[in-house]
Amino acid sequence: KAGVTQTPRYLIKTRGQQVTLSCSPISGHRSVSWYQQTPGQGLQFLFEYFSETQRNKGNFPGRFSGRQFSNSRSEMNVSTLELGDSALYLCASSLAPTGAYEQYFGPGTRLTVT
Amino acid sequence: QKEVEQNSGPLSVPEGAIASLNCTYSDRGSQSFFWYRQYSGKSPELIMFIYSNGDKEDGRFTAQLNKASQYVSLLIRDSQPSDSATYLCAVTGGNEKLTFGTGTRLTIIP
Repeated sequence: KAGVTQTPRYLIKTRGQQVTLSCSPISGHRSVSWYQQTPGQGLQFLFEYFSETQRNKGNFPGRFSGRQFSNSRSEMNVSTLELGDSALYLCASSLAPTGAYEQYFGPGTRLTVT
Repeated sequence: QKEVEQNSGPLSVPEGAIASLNCTYSDRGSQSFFWYRQYSGKSPELIMFIYSNGDKEDGRFTAQLNKASQYVSLLIRDSQPSDSATYLCAVTGGNEKLTFGTGTRLTIIP
């Protein structure tokens, strides 16, 4: 069974621009979560989607948004990029929400903002 | 107090010895507990999960959960150099959000 895939793997953007990252979950998984990982803050939860609905949201500004499609694929968008948004963005999928199910991570998208 | 706390390490263990990694959490309503391994430059990989008090063994790995004391630990027996990585503890709180600790860096010394 194919794992979680994320595109693109690497991205360089300029301050003020916006970016869209994509995540395809493991086949059959309907829940997708997004995380930001930085050396200083570790893994920070962004949001979780299940059946096209956002179930949970972390403490990030409104510049960070996401959505999920009917095939469970998900995208996250960051508008008006800031230098501090440089990070590894990870997507994880699980069979169902509630946090009780195991999450499996994709390879991540490394975003660099200059 | 952080929701999930881990000793950042680095923790150095001789090859063949037992590595013991610890994690404490603050939310008494937490129900699900996970251990992830992350190699440098890679994404986290799930290695263990535990839901009930007690021990759970899988090969060389044993997860231990004590809800009364609010801690969860991971033991790695017969440590190998390939076990050198950062180990992340993750806990699902009563709000159903998965919260990660900052990780413990483990180095196995040949």
